[in-house]
Amino acid sequence: DSGVTQTPKHLITATGQRVTLRCSPRSGDLSVYWYQQSLDQGLQFLIQYYNGEERAKGNILERFSAQQFPDLHSELNLSSLELGDSALYFCASSVVNAGNTEAFFGQGTRLTVV
Amino acid sequence: SQQGEEDPQALSIQEGENATMNCSYKTSINNLQWYRQNSGRGLVHLILIRSNEREKHSGRLRVTLDTSKKSSSLLITASRAADTASYFCATAPAGANSKLTFGKGITLSVRP
Repeated sequence: DSGVTQTPKHLITATGQRVTLRCSPRSGDLSVYWYQQSLDQGLQFLIQYYNGEERAKGNILERFSAQQFPDLHSELNLSSLELGDSALYFCASSVVNAGNTEAFFGQGTRLTVV
Repeated sequence: SQQGEEDPQALSIQEGENATMNCSYKTSINNLQWYRQNSGRGLVHLILIRSNEREKHSGRLRVTLDTSKKSSSLLITASRAADTASYFCATAPAGANSKLTFGKGITLSVRP
């Protein structure tokens, strides 16, 4: 158990809908990262938050947004969903910056858009 | 875009054999990390090697880093069926904004 909790584990929704994925980082970790994993694109970095502030942005679509709350949990909001958004979404956390130390991954949320 | 590229894409070996996986990257890095992912599950950190290190060991794992060639290798000795998984290298570019960028991974199958 990595200590990172993601909910829900599975999500099935229709095109055009909006969903929210939730992540609770390991106790004491200030950084949260979101990744999208699909068969054709591999593991794509979406966005990083550090202590409530956006720190880095990757290949995140404008239809997607995220935030980190004062209690350090994070949410990833996906809207106007398309079939191609079906993927595994991972949250990871690290003490400071995963560039300098290891990142701990949650078990992921499997999103299926039908 | 992918920073690290693993090679080979897939590897199948017999239990007890050694498995060698390679990773090449493009830009200067702060460090390089290897992760393992069992099917459909989260990634698990295996080992981190800093840019000023050349070799590191952890149990049955040995990682080397050649910054002049921008490449790394992960050796798993005396492999076990339980080592069957996907293995990813992740690089953290030099600089303050060191987000981890992953390669597409290597699928390792260890036959009992």
